[in-house]
Amino acid sequence: AQSVTQPDIHITVSEGASLELRCNYSYGATPYLFWYVQSPGQGLQLLLKYFSGDTLVQGIKGFEAEFKRSQSSFNLRKPSVHWSDAAEYFCAVGDGGSNYKLTFGKGTLLTVNP
Amino acid sequence: EPEVTQTPSHQVTQMGQEVILRCVPISNHLYFYWYRQILGQKVEFLVSFYNNEISEKSEIFDDQFSVERPDGSNFTLKIRSTKLEDSAMYFCAAGGLAGNEQFFGPGTRLTVL
Repeated sequence: AQSVTQPDIHITVSEGASLELRCNYSYGATPYLFWYVQSPGQGLQLLLKYFSGDTLVQGIKGFEAEFKRSQSSFNLRKPSVHWSDAAEYFCAVGDGGSNYKLTFGKGTLLTVNP
Repeated sequence: EPEVTQTPSHQVTQMGQEVILRCVPISNHLYFYWYRQILGQKVEFLVSFYNNEISEKSEIFDDQFSVERPDGSNFTLKIRSTKLEDSAMYFCAAGGLAGNEQFFGPGTRLTVL
């Protein structure tokens, strides 16, 4: 069965600092990988996705992620964090079969200090 | 960007009562989903719906749960007899275009007392 591990429950960074959120997945075939962001009381917004091709994918709000098959990882990065990036971030792997259901990690809560 | 809407935004109910959560997914999408997120926990898959029938359901989706898309637009999740542990945020999602991307609604927060 597919699974996602986000090892960091809570990360605090200063505004302007760089950010990397870790994600490891387990999936039998080529994975479909996603990062979603959830602001307090809000739904899930897609930041970026990887299906195939270039392993470095660009997303919205200046985020990028790199798929590394050898490490089963899909880490999210941003070179300079803004206060508005404070939110919870979820990594997810999609079922490549007929249903495309998503399996989420437990999330990483990002706090941004001024 | 396509939008999925959900009503109500917050539902409070007594244990044992039936609730219906409503979603209006993106009309030209093919797959519809319900997920839930218990406070402080991860988002969990409940059920997927394709071609007017359930295509997959999780262990959580027991006989107390049902889904339907009665009129080709609304997509509903019914919980027949709510339990305290059903308290959670319930998200509807739509997908099936553009390579498996899913669009999520804002969620319904269900509180069972």
